[in-house]
Amino acid sequence: GENVEQHPSTLSVQEGDSAVIKCTYSDSASNYFPWYKQELGKGPQLIIDIRSNVGEKKDQRIAVTLNKTAKHFSLHITETQPEDSAVYFCAANTNAGKSTFGDGTTLTVKP
Amino acid sequence: DAGVIQSPRHEVTEMGQEVTLRCKPISGHDYLFWYRQTMMRGLELLIYFNNNVPIDDSGMPEDRFSAKMPNASFSTLKIQPSEPRDSAVYFCASSLARASGYTFGSGTRLTVV
Repeated sequence: GENVEQHPSTLSVQEGDSAVIKCTYSDSASNYFPWYKQELGKGPQLIIDIRSNVGEKKDQRIAVTLNKTAKHFSLHITETQPEDSAVYFCAANTNAGKSTFGDGTTLTVKP
Repeated sequence: DAGVIQSPRHEVTEMGQEVTLRCKPISGHDYLFWYRQTMMRGLELLIYFNNNVPIDDSGMPEDRFSAKMPNASFSTLKIQPSEPRDSAVYFCASSLARASGYTFGSGTRLTVV
């Protein structure tokens, strides 16, 4: 089955700096890669996603990149704000329809 | 849309008791997923349905766990009998299509004492 590894497990940045979270996946059949943000006491919320026919996607301060050859994808957050502090999960989907999640990255943005 | 609705939000029960968790997915979403989240194991997929039919239940830990989806707007996850190691947050999620993002509910925090 699919295996997704996520790094780092914790990340602390100063407000205004950039944050990068990286994931690797094992199944070359995976073709859809969503990212979720989970705040305390809430369920994960989809923030951005990318499909295997695209190399990069951007939405305001967040962007995702995908390298299918190397089987890795990354989340980039620019101009971080305290409200970006949360746990971030990457995931990989195959055509089976289910997501395999990474272990999560706890991002802390210091004001 | 009100999103994915789960109930109850919190459940405290004694070991050996039956627990039923409920989920109402977003109308029109064909896929429904049950996940369990713990600090040790992260987000684990328990089971998922497509058009009310169970597709993959390989993540269900034991026969004590069962899930049903009698119609497109309702699903249950049942644990009988419950054990302390079942304590976790259980999330229900739904999605529109095979390769699309999930909408998660707020979760049910289960504590078995």
